[in-house]
Parts: sequence; structure tokens; C-alpha cells
Amino acid sequence: QKEVEQDPGPLSVPEGAIVSLNCTYSNSAFQYFMWYRQYSRKGPELLMYTYSSGNKEDGRFTAQVDKSSKYISLFIRDSQPSDSATYLCAMRKQGAQKLVFGQGTRLTINP
Amino acid sequence: EADIYQTPRYLVIGTGKKITLECSQTMGHDKMYWYQQDPGMELHLIHYSYGVNSTEKGDLSSESTVSRIRTEHFPLTLESARPSHTSQYLCASSSGRTGVSVNSPLHFGNGTRLTVT
Repeated sequence: QKEVEQDPGPLSVPEGAIVSLNCTYSNSAFQYFMWYRQYSRKGPELLMYTYSSGNKEDGRFTAQVDKSSKYISLFIRDSQPSDSATYLCAMRKQGAQKLVFGQGTRLTINP
Repeated sequence: EADIYQTPRYLVIGTGKKITLECSQTMGHDKMYWYQQDPGMELHLIHYSYGVNSTEKGDLSSESTVSRIRTEHFPLTLESARPSHTSQYLCASSSGRTGVSVNSPLHFGNGTRLTVT
């Protein structure tokens, strides 16, 4: 069983829609949670970073962590065609350097 | 945009050839990493380094080797390429200076797409 599960999609939504991307995980020791965005033919770039449970908002993006359910989400409001990319969740344990990644969800925003 | 560079971007090579994938960063980061990424699959860590002359194998078994002679340079070498090595290889770095939070993000290069025929 994988430590981190993420639906690979693809997910296609119209411009302006609210997008919800999710990951589940099995290891309760994970404390740091990240979302990376990867455009085609580019490396991943950090989009959101949260520690433990709760919400974090940055512009149109909201990251949510529910440690009791071992579930994290990324919400994109007012989605734009420029948001079309693969979104990877990643997480790590306290004191650890190595990240564990999900498979990534391929998202397309249609104009 | 992160200052981490990978060359070549694309490489098609025959079985049995020796290849070196280059990775350089200009941010002075202590920690560097090599990940392997296949379509629809999660990134797998194959090598990492916490500083000069420090290298470790990652979670995914790999027939490649790495070296870290200079802080900014972390090349990956395949002595004898095989079709099973066909993949995208991503290099990344992060800061890890003493006294600074360990919660520093990874900065990725744009990858090398390797095809072994």
C-alpha cells in the first residue's frame, strides 16, 4: 500500500470553477504537507506549505489538512486556464528531510 | 524562478552507453537530490546529498551513481544505460543551514528526459 494516495485524474473543469484536489495518507507521523504545481516540461514548484492541521490561504489557493482523517486538500477558486498543470501533494515527518509524493493530479481549465 | 539547471533537457542514447546527467545550482544550497518521475507515478528519490563529499542512496533502487565534489554540482552517472532506465530525472536542492528551519522547500530543475533504445 502506498503511503500517499492521489487520484491522477485527468480532471477537466470550466474556467471560473472551484477546483478541489485531494490526497489521503496512511502514516500518522506526517506533520508537514505541501502542494507542488508542475507545468508541462517543467520541474515542480512549491505552491502551498502547511504544518499540522488547519487551513492556509494564499490568494485563490487554500490548503486544508485534516489529520484525524489523514486527508489533505487544495482548493482553487476562480480557476484560470493558467492553472492547468499537474498538482502533486507531498508530505514528510517531523525531523525528516525526505518527502513522500503523491502521483499528481493532471488538471485542465477550459476557457 | 529557482536557479537550478539540468543538462541535457532531452537525451536519446543506445543501450550500454555511459551517460552523465548534469545538475548545478547557484543558490548555495547544502542539500541536493535526484528524483525519478514516470508518467502517472509519484516522484521517487534515488540519491541525495547533504553536503560536499556526502552522498546517500534514496528509497528507489537505482543503478546510477552520484558525486558531490562541489556544493553547486551534483551529477548523476549511469555506467551502462538500459531501456529500463528510460524516465524523467529531476534534480532538486534545498537550504539546510544550521539554525534555519528545516522546513525549506525543494527547488527543482526542469528535468532531463532520458530515452534508452
